[in-house]
Amino acid sequence: GQQLNQSPQSMFIQEGEDVSMNCTSSSIFNTWLWYKQDPGEGPVLLIALYKAGELTSNGRLTAQFGITRKDSFLNISASIPSDVGIYFCAGRIYNFNKFYFGSGTKLNVKP
Amino acid sequence: DAGVIQSPRHEVTEMGQEVTLRCKPISGHNSLFWYRQTMMRGLELLIYFNNNVPIDDSGMPEDRFSAKMPNASFSTLKIQPSEPRDSAVYFCASSFQSLPRLLVNEQYFGPGTRLTVT
Repeated sequence: GQQLNQSPQSMFIQEGEDVSMNCTSSSIFNTWLWYKQDPGEGPVLLIALYKAGELTSNGRLTAQFGITRKDSFLNISASIPSDVGIYFCAGRIYNFNKFYFGSGTKLNVKP
Repeated sequence: DAGVIQSPRHEVTEMGQEVTLRCKPISGHNSLFWYRQTMMRGLELLIYFNNNVPIDDSGMPEDRFSAKMPNASFSTLKIQPSEPRDSAVYFCASSFQSLPRLLVNEQYFGPGTRLTVT
């Protein structure tokens, strides 16, 4: 099956710092999604990307669809304690009706 | 608007018992997905439906697992008989798939059912 490599696996940062995480694939994807999951809850969609090179923001979050179509990045600026959680990337190959998920990046923010 | 609804939120059962998980997708969505999440394997797609028809069940672990979608607003995932290794969080997600480009738009997840099989 498809493999999505998501890194880093976990991060410990200070409140106010910026955060970057990424996902890479061996296949070309035509859609990238980024989710956040809080403990005991389902993943919540943060940002959707549909075009190579696309840069989309959602508040302090910015995600980019890599121009090679094989990677995507998520940045969080000026982190706050409520950013704590697990962030997942998900990618879809054109004409295939399912997403492949990364293993997640666990973010810890110290006040 | 109501999101994806799953029930029960928690299920504890004994090995060998039948377990049925339920999902109500977002109204108007025509694709439904069942996932399983564990620490070891992360999020795994078990099966998905499009317009109530199962499209890909290659992720279903074995014959003990079955899923149905009798109508556009309801789906079940059944495990019979259950085993301790089935313990996990099971998520249902839905999306709207537009034709003819088979674009699958964003998937929205339910809160999950935490299953514990003792």
